[in-house]
Amino acid sequence: DAMVIQNPRYQVTQFGKPVTLSCSQTLNHNVMYWYQQKSSQAPKLLFHYYDKDFNNEADTPDNFQSRRPNTSFCFLDIRSPGLGDAAMYLCATSRVGRGTDTQYFGPGTRLTVL
Amino acid sequence: SQKIEQNSEALNIQEGKTATLTCNYTNYSPAYLQWYRQDPGRGPVFLLLIRENEKEKRKERLKVTFDTTLKQSLFHITASQPADSATYLCALGDNTNAGKSTFGDGTTLTVKP
Repeated sequence: DAMVIQNPRYQVTQFGKPVTLSCSQTLNHNVMYWYQQKSSQAPKLLFHYYDKDFNNEADTPDNFQSRRPNTSFCFLDIRSPGLGDAAMYLCATSRVGRGTDTQYFGPGTRLTVL
Repeated sequence: SQKIEQNSEALNIQEGKTATLTCNYTNYSPAYLQWYRQDPGRGPVFLLLIRENEKEKRKERLKVTFDTTLKQSLFHITASQPADSATYLCALGDNTNAGKSTFGDGTTLTVKP
């Protein structure tokens, strides 16, 4: 049973053309995260939502935005993708406050920028 | 600044041997440490979590140790199998940061039959 779902799995966009990636979860977790991962590198946290509270990492470019309309869904908007934004984008969830803080990841969306 | 180092990008071992992966960190006092497995083109999958007051955790063929004095965690896979081939990520967590974890770059393990 899929728990964290990401759509699409592969996304191709053109330089400067806005793109939205989506994430949904069936775990009813209170925290959702977006990571960017480039080849052979660590997942890099972009931002996270703790319930409805948005928390941006200090070094996340303004080009990246996020929305969480309800507990189950979270979106990553890239307003003007550059070539350097080509990467795997990972969504994760966790149930913070229950002592485990384990993160459950989706399969990722591979973004290609032409 | 905080730094996480995982031993050599790639580790090759023979089937049946024990794989040992290392995670070292500096300028960090994690409350817990997690190990994840990541297969190519997929998201990481949680394997084990160990807290700062725990020395060792086991799960089936997996064992994790955590030495806060050395600032090091070791991850062992005993009786390794080709199916264990993957990239293994360590992640350090801090209870004050809403479950946020900082990930290492990972070690790619290849188990040869």
